This record gives sequence, structure tokens and C-alpha cells, in this order.
Amino acid sequence: KAGVTQTPRYLIKTRGQQVTLSCSPISGHRSVSWYQQTPGQGLQFLFEYFSETQRNKGNFPGRFSGRQFSNSRSEMNVSTLELGDSALYLCASGTFQGQYGYTFGSGTRLTVV
Amino acid sequence: AQSVTQPDIHITVSEGASLELRCNYSYGATPYLFWYVQSPGQGLQLLLKYFSGDTLVQGIKGFEAEFKRSQSSFNLRKPSVHWSDAAEYFCAVDTYSGGGADGLTFGKGTHLIIQP
Repeated sequence: KAGVTQTPRYLIKTRGQQVTLSCSPISGHRSVSWYQQTPGQGLQFLFEYFSETQRNKGNFPGRFSGRQFSNSRSEMNVSTLELGDSALYLCASGTFQGQYGYTFGSGTRLTVV
Repeated sequence: AQSVTQPDIHITVSEGASLELRCNYSYGATPYLFWYVQSPGQGLQLLLKYFSGDTLVQGIKGFEAEFKRSQSSFNLRKPSVHWSDAAEYFCAVDTYSGGGADGLTFGKGTHLIIQP
């Protein structure tokens, strides 16, 4: 079956702009979570959605937001971009409580200039 | 809050030699435990997971991990490494509060280098 699809793969934005990233989970998976990966901070949890509801949120400012649609596809949005937002953003899909582990997409590489 | 420690930032192993990557976690109960591998520019691939039961877990690509509750450890092992195993390895834990997952907490990763 198809894996987790993240679009776009690469993105360059200017400081102050906003950006929207997309994630299509594995068919049948209703949980979608987002992670930020940077060399300095490593992998950090952003938020998780299940059936269109945000169940949990990591320690990130309100500029980071997300949503999930009825078909389980998810988007995350970052407003007023800062240089420090440059990172690899990874999406993971899973079952209700991740009992079978989470499947990650290849990520979106965001560069803020 | 939970935390994960991978003490070794880099490990160099000769091809064909055995491998052990260390992972220690801090959490009040037994979390769900995972090992992921990441190749350059790629996402994370799940190697294996532990939820309960047998403390020795078999994964893909010939990897196994042993959960030791007394040591709060979940070390990854492979009896004979291949050059294609060179990658970044992440240990992670997942905890649950209420009805939902709290999100994975990752260690900083161990960079594995394979010498010919």
C-alpha cells in the first residue's frame, strides 16, 4: 500500500511569510502527527491529530498550527516565518494509539531566508 | 516529563562485526519503545517496537532489541553489520495520557559509521 506522502519535498520561503505543508497518511490510518527536525534540537513533536481533532501539542509557539480533514489528510501551517524555522518537517501516520508504530513520510525541507 | 538518552553520538564498526546501540529512558511507567533509522535526506523507518510481553524484540533488517525494566534501557543489537547499515539511529518512547498519544520523544540519535 502507498506510504505517507508529504508535499512539497523542498520549500524556500522568506522571513515573515507563511507556509503550508501537506501530509497524506497511509490509507486507513486516522492519526497524523508532525515533527520538526533540526541539527540543534533534534526531533521534536509538534502536534497530533486524530479524526480531525488535535489530541496533543508539543511545546511550540502559536505560529505553528495544523488541521486534519475528514479524509485524514493533514496540513500544518507556520505563520510569520523566522530563520530558526528552517528544518525538516516530518509527518507520521498511525492507528489510534500507535500500537503498530508510526510510519513516517520523507519530509518537507523548509529553508527560511 | 519523559526523556530519552542515547549516550553515543557516533559509533564506528567494521563491516561484519557486531553492533550494540544504547538507549536509556526516563519515565514513571513502561512506555512504548521504538527504534527508528534515518538515511540522509530521508524520513524515519521503523526498525522495531516494544509494547509488552517478551522483552527481546525482533525487527527488520536483522536487528533486535532488549527491554530491561530495571535499567530503563532498550538497546539495539545486530550480530553482523553490513555497509548499508550506515545511517542515523533514533530511540524513541511514546506515552499515553487520557485517550491519546503524547507524541514520540526521541533521543538525539547515534550516527553509525561502517568501516570496510
